[in-house]
Amino acid sequence: DVKVTQSSRYLVKRTGEKVFLECVQDMDHENMFWYRQDPGLGLRLIYFSYDVKMKEKGDIPEGYSVSREKKERFSLILESASTNQTSMYLCASSFASGQYFGPGTRLTVL
Amino acid sequence: AQSVTQLGSHVSVSEGALVLLRCNYSSSVPPYLFWYVQYPNQGLQLLLKYTTGATLVKGINGFEAEFKKSETSFHLTKPSAHMSDAAEYFCAVNMKFTGANSKLTFGKGITLSVRP
Repeated sequence: DVKVTQSSRYLVKRTGEKVFLECVQDMDHENMFWYRQDPGLGLRLIYFSYDVKMKEKGDIPEGYSVSREKKERFSLILESASTNQTSMYLCASSFASGQYFGPGTRLTVL
Repeated sequence: AQSVTQLGSHVSVSEGALVLLRCNYSSSVPPYLFWYVQYPNQGLQLLLKYTTGATLVKGINGFEAEFKKSETSFHLTKPSAHMSDAAEYFCAVNMKFTGANSKLTFGKGITLSVRP
């Protein structure tokens, strides 16, 4: 079975803090994705990566950056967390068709 | 460009009743189509997908969906709802995999409630 893990299920941070969300997949997938999920807005793509050190902006990249130094790991970085970044963050990986999701990290920024 | 429409945000059915969740898409090329389910406080789980071949696709937990090109639809059905089916359901589309990425476009999701 494909396994996608995320470093934390719940996270509470303060405004202005630098936040790292980690995602690891164990299926040697080339593509990895970060989404945020908010009520009424569905899933919105923040960034994706199709290879090590390669990244592309999604629909809402402002306020975020990413890092992919190894194929299995894709990190989402909030340089200076703000309250409007309180959300559920979902990581996914894929090879050819479809995506496999991690359990999500519910981030609260106070 | 591609898009997904899931009309309505909430569907309520009685236990044992038919479940029908609608999904319409637009795509400039033949699409891949997906249904995902999300249980509370969990990630998304792939229910089923259509890529090529048979247009009636069977998934997990007794769900199935039919790709109808003429109607640009991929509706999800289950003959008899169970209480454990209560969750949020997302339809998604992408263009057939041709290169370096496989971005999905998601609908806004539908919450399914099941009444005893």
